[in-house]
Amino acid sequence: GAGVSQTPSNKVTEKGKYVELRCDPISGHTALYWYRQSLGQGPEFLIYFQGTGAADDSGLPNDRFFAVRPEGSVSTLKIQRTERGDSAMYLCASSLSPQGADNSPLHFGNGTRLTVT
Amino acid sequence: QKEVEQDPGPLSVPEGAIVSLNCTYSNSAFQYFMWYRQYSRKGPELLMYTYSSGNKEDGRFTAQVDKSSKYISLFIRDSQPSDSATYLCAMSYYGNNRLAFGKGNQVVVIP
Repeated sequence: GAGVSQTPSNKVTEKGKYVELRCDPISGHTALYWYRQSLGQGPEFLIYFQGTGAADDSGLPNDRFFAVRPEGSVSTLKIQRTERGDSAMYLCASSLSPQGADNSPLHFGNGTRLTVT
Repeated sequence: QKEVEQDPGPLSVPEGAIVSLNCTYSNSAFQYFMWYRQYSRKGPELLMYTYSSGNKEDGRFTAQVDKSSKYISLFIRDSQPSDSATYLCAMSYYGNNRLAFGKGNQVVVIP
């Protein structure tokens, strides 16, 4: 019965470093999404997985960002050569199916707050 | 122009007042319309979900969608201090959960 779990809850890193953010979706949820929320803004879509494959990665801002979901459950968002502009809340969400609709809404985790100094 | 516009101005109301929030959008292909509530340092939680035009009521919350005007609203009746949060509108196309969000409104209900 646990919700979407994200670790770490906070991450402070220096400019130029590599970071990994982890998401553990609700058990049985096949669809997994990553969103990024800057201060004072709504979440913005990054990437969507259906099972193990990235079905839509058109929201990733550049090639420094990459995400994997090797076994169709846990996902890791990876950011190389971090920049100060990458500072934001990174939110993971999952749903029972990708179809949305009333019977398959998105459930969000509490996010990882990334600060790049 | 962003796909979803939500005036982000903070809103303070006395306890018991009606809170009225709204969003406009530009893409007529949006089919699903949602309101999320986000407490400080937490993830968004789904509050209301509507499909196409019309009203939906759930307790003290009413969501309205007017597709002809590309305008959605959320009303909170008998507001409580526990309603103090940021409210985000979101919408999506048919058949997927890639959501387009508004900027959010911070609501403060004063006891």
